[in-house]
Amino acid sequence: KNQVEQSPQSLIILEGKNCTLQCNYTVSPFSNLRWYKQDTGRGPVSLTIMTFSENTKSNGRYTATLDADTKQSSLHITASQLSDSASYICVVSPLRGGYNKLIFGAGTRLAVHP
Amino acid sequence: NAGVTQTPKFQVLKTGQSMTLQCAQDMNHEYMSWYRQDPGMGLRLIHYSVGAGITDQGEVPNGYNVSRSTTEDFPLRLLSAAPSQTSVYFCASSEDRGTDTQYFGPGTRLTVL
Repeated sequence: KNQVEQSPQSLIILEGKNCTLQCNYTVSPFSNLRWYKQDTGRGPVSLTIMTFSENTKSNGRYTATLDADTKQSSLHITASQLSDSASYICVVSPLRGGYNKLIFGAGTRLAVHP
Repeated sequence: NAGVTQTPKFQVLKTGQSMTLQCAQDMNHEYMSWYRQDPGMGLRLIHYSVGAGITDQGEVPNGYNVSRSTTEDFPLRLLSAAPSQTSVYFCASSEDRGTDTQYFGPGTRLTVL
């Protein structure tokens, strides 16, 4: 069964520090991989979308990387801010299928402390 | 643009009651979806629509109905609420499928007693 697994489940870091969140997937072949940020009590917001041929994509202090050979993606947050406290969700889109086929990870809950 | 809006924000129902969760978008998107989010699990697709008049089932459609009479609106109906439907519900829209960005609404937190 196609799966998307994220680690760690939760993470606490100090403001100003960097962190890396992991996403391992078994979906193959796939069309694209997305990272979303979800603030508490709000809907997810798109951070990056990478196709299977891309290795990296940045959005400000957020940098996503993709290794299609090992089926791993990571989201690196640089110089964390209190506003980065949120859940981060990895989503994989299989090659065949649209939004009815998106596979969502359970997310990593990040807390940034002052 | 308001983006994707959902009402109500919170709702408490008794088992067996019915209700409609409203979703609207003002971006003229063809694709709209309903998801539910439960603790410790990824979002799961309930129903989706690829345009006005066209709907289809997702991963967890039982107990829910949808219709798409206009491009803007995509309501989700709970026919006879059950405690297992206690969840947070998100509506999403996008211009195209597959590679395009999905825009999510703020969510409706539903509790069924």
